[in-house]
Amino acid sequence: DAGVTQSPTHLIKTRGQQVTLRCSPKSGHDTVSWYQQALGQGPQFIFQYYEEEERQRGNFPDRFSGHQFPNYSSELNVNALLLGDSALYLCASSLPDTANYGYTFGSGTRLTVV
Amino acid sequence: GEDVEQSLFLSVREGDSSVINCTYTDSSSTYLYWYKQEPGAGLQLLTYIFSNMDMKQDQRLTVLLNKKDKHLSLRIADTQTGDSAIYFCAETFDSWGKLQFGAGTQVVVTP
Repeated sequence: DAGVTQSPTHLIKTRGQQVTLRCSPKSGHDTVSWYQQALGQGPQFIFQYYEEEERQRGNFPDRFSGHQFPNYSSELNVNALLLGDSALYLCASSLPDTANYGYTFGSGTRLTVV
Repeated sequence: GEDVEQSLFLSVREGDSSVINCTYTDSSSTYLYWYKQEPGAGLQLLTYIFSNMDMKQDQRLTVLLNKKDKHLSLRIADTQTGDSAIYFCAETFDSWGKLQFGAGTQVVVTP
């Protein structure tokens, strides 16, 4: 049973560019959350998708947007990249009642903005 | 800054017990979690405790919760070199499970 799959694993982009990160949830999970983890920090919640809608959002600017597809997979898009967007982006999937069942995290996409 | 605070580093000898501490600030937290992150990997859920519990034991792991002091700890018995990693404390306030993480404690196990 595959866990959470993220692609690509590493990415280098230039300031001002746009990037799309992808996530396939664990089989049976229908809720996808995205987290940003800067170097030496704990993960910060970006947003959560359920039933193809953004259900909850953290304190991130509108440059960060997402999408969930009917097969529950998800994309994270970041526009107008800044150097400060360099981080590990983690996708986590869960059942809707996340608190009771917990997340399964992917290994992340390491984004470097130069 | 983060609402969840952890000490940054812990060094422990192989075979000893490790105790990782965490202080959280929101008394409305419903669940508190411990996650493990190894180099180049995502987060692995180790254990969690519901806010109406004081203690939870799971094999080598013991979680203690002091709600009065908003203090959470994770004890790892018989620490092994494979336990070297960064450990994150996290809290959540609602059933949707948005997690608020601490900055992590790096645990180094020496032979």
